[in-house]
Amino acid sequence: QLQLVESGGGLVKPGGSLRLSCAASGFTFSDYYIGWIRQAPGKGLEWVSHISSRSFYTNYADSVKGRFTISRDNAKNSLYLQMNRLRAEDTAVYYCARDRGGNDPRRAFDIWGQGTMVTVSS
Amino acid sequence: QSALTQPASVSGSPGQSITISCTGTSSDVGGYNYVSWYQLHPGKAPKLMIYDVSNRPSGVSNRFSGSKSGNTASLTISGLQAEDEADYYCSSYSSSTTLDVIFGGGTRLTVL
Repeated sequence: QLQLVESGGGLVKPGGSLRLSCAASGFTFSDYYIGWIRQAPGKGLEWVSHISSRSFYTNYADSVKGRFTISRDNAKNSLYLQMNRLRAEDTAVYYCARDRGGNDPRRAFDIWGQGTMVTVSS
Repeated sequence: QSALTQPASVSGSPGQSITISCTGTSSDVGGYNYVSWYQLHPGKAPKLMIYDVSNRPSGVSNRFSGSKSGNTASLTISGLQAEDEADYYCSSYSSSTTLDVIFGGGTRLTVL
């Protein structure tokens, strides 16, 4: 069964840090670009970041650039998002999602996790 | 860069067809065939319904179809069913320096 499972969300104070994880199973994780996408309460989807299959390439939305770092460990079939200097506007459900294009990213995400909630509040 | 423009809501009766539009620019929707559509039910993971403008992933009903003209992409759902009631988001690759993937603001589909 193709699956992504996020973990690591929670409540953090403004300026704090959090590390999200995403565990993959059921497919060859190292063959795919993977991304993080978030949805703030009552808002729409927002692309956050993604990483190439061998970690050669990463990209970030301007809203998180310099504060968030995406990484992956293909040996552990895992994706990570280190979030520093968190702000109230980072409050959202964070999803990890697989780009269906494999090593040729199509920016179409065909497998999603259930999401993990991050709340930034004092 | 602003989100792609979608209508906030659409509605239709069972059996009818509806179309949701998604308007961008030549830097995203109009310039590339990397347009996707997602279905979101409350409390569930988003589901990919259309990719590369008009392709359906395996398992997605052929009642869902996608198209594009200029800077506007469209999702059409024919033979509306109660289970189609959900939020729908379009997305596109963007050549903007600030974003790689841009999403629409989302459309709430109500099946009357």
